[in-house]
Amino acid sequence: GNSVTQMEGPVTLSEEAFLTINCTYTATGYPSLFWYVQYPGEGLQLLLKATKADDKGSNKGFEATYRKETTSFHLEKGSVQVSDSAVYFCALSDIYNFNKFYFGSGTKLNVKP
Amino acid sequence: NAGVTQTPKFQVLKTGQSMTLQCAQDMNHEYMSWYRQDPGMGLRLIHYSVGAGITDQGEVPNGYNVSRSTTEDFPLRLLSAAPSQTSVYFCASRVGGREQFFGPGTRLTVL
Repeated sequence: GNSVTQMEGPVTLSEEAFLTINCTYTATGYPSLFWYVQYPGEGLQLLLKATKADDKGSNKGFEATYRKETTSFHLEKGSVQVSDSAVYFCALSDIYNFNKFYFGSGTKLNVKP
Repeated sequence: NAGVTQTPKFQVLKTGQSMTLQCAQDMNHEYMSWYRQDPGMGLRLIHYSVGAGITDQGEVPNGYNVSRSTTEDFPLRLLSAAPSQTSVYFCASRVGGREQFFGPGTRLTVL
């Protein structure tokens, strides 16, 4: 079956530090992969996505590369800001039914000034 | 556009009570979904709909009913609430293979 595993948080960084949040997945075939961000008290927002192997998704300084060899989609940012403090979710969509999304457990990021 | 709206924001129920969580979108999206978010478990799909009159089960459908009589609305019904249904519920919508838009959520506590 489909599943997504994320590194446990919380992750606490100082402003301008480098961020990596690990995400690995198990799935049939090559699903589309997503990173969502959730700010306190809000719903999830799409941060970036990749639809095929070796694709790199990027947005707002965040990047993630679809690695089929390692079934991974790690999120990175070169220099985090306090405003990046949020919960980040890795997700995939079933290749046979795009309506079925599978989310990781989320990683809370705290960025200190 | 208001996007995806959910009501109520907070709700406390007693075991055995029934209620309906409302979800509406004004973007003319064909696909709508309900998720629950529990600590340490991420979001899990409850039910989804691919258009008016068409619904299907997700990963955790037991204890929940849905219907889709219009494109705009996708209510989630709890017929007999249980403490295990204490969670934060999110509604989402999208068109085609594009981005999902999430509502702000409903925090439900069942005593």
